[in-house]
Amino acid sequence: DADVTQTPRNRITKTGKRIMLECSQTKGHDRMYWYRQDPGLGLRLIYYSFDVKDINKGEISDGYSVSRQAQAKFSLSLESAIPNQTALYFCATSDSILPGPQHFGDGTRLSIL
Amino acid sequence: SQQGEEDPQALSIQEGENATMNCSYKTSINNLQWYRQNSGRGLVHLILIRSNEREKHSGRLRVTLDTSKKSSSLLITASRAADTASYFCATGSGNTPLVFGKGTRLSVIA
Repeated sequence: DADVTQTPRNRITKTGKRIMLECSQTKGHDRMYWYRQDPGLGLRLIYYSFDVKDINKGEISDGYSVSRQAQAKFSLSLESAIPNQTALYFCATSDSILPGPQHFGDGTRLSIL
Repeated sequence: SQQGEEDPQALSIQEGENATMNCSYKTSINNLQWYRQNSGRGLVHLILIRSNEREKHSGRLRVTLDTSKKSSSLLITASRAADTASYFCATGSGNTPLVFGKGTRLSVIA
């Protein structure tokens, strides 16, 4: 089983819909991250959480929200999806040894029509 | 904003040749990391080099770090078709998340 699991793997939806992407991990890491990847732009950080009670905005948080339900679970929501949020979304985890390697899920490919 | 910038953006080589990718960054760092991404998959951590290290090896990978020039290079020796992927550098500094570059797309032709 994968250490970092993202669901769904693929999603097609319409403009204006609310969408939730979920991430769960079995690595026991405190730190979790959400990124989006667009062609030619690399990875950009949306939100991150260093523990269950900690939520921080990243580079591109507008239009997104997150919830850290437990150490192992970190979800990303698009309250009202728009087409330019079409992208590949990744969840990642790391331990508290700063700044250590990150472990990535296999991503959610999101298309907003 | 992105800290690391990889060069070249794309690289195509024959199987058996060596592949060299470079990363430049702008501010002081604690460490620099390299990741590989196969098409449609998540990034996989390859190697981490600390700011007080100059060179590190892992199998066919060799990473160098020059903090005076704020640059790093990743060398893959005796490349294989399976090395075809995108490679990203990421810089780590203090208690902040890693910052990733835009990546180098490596194609290894059999």
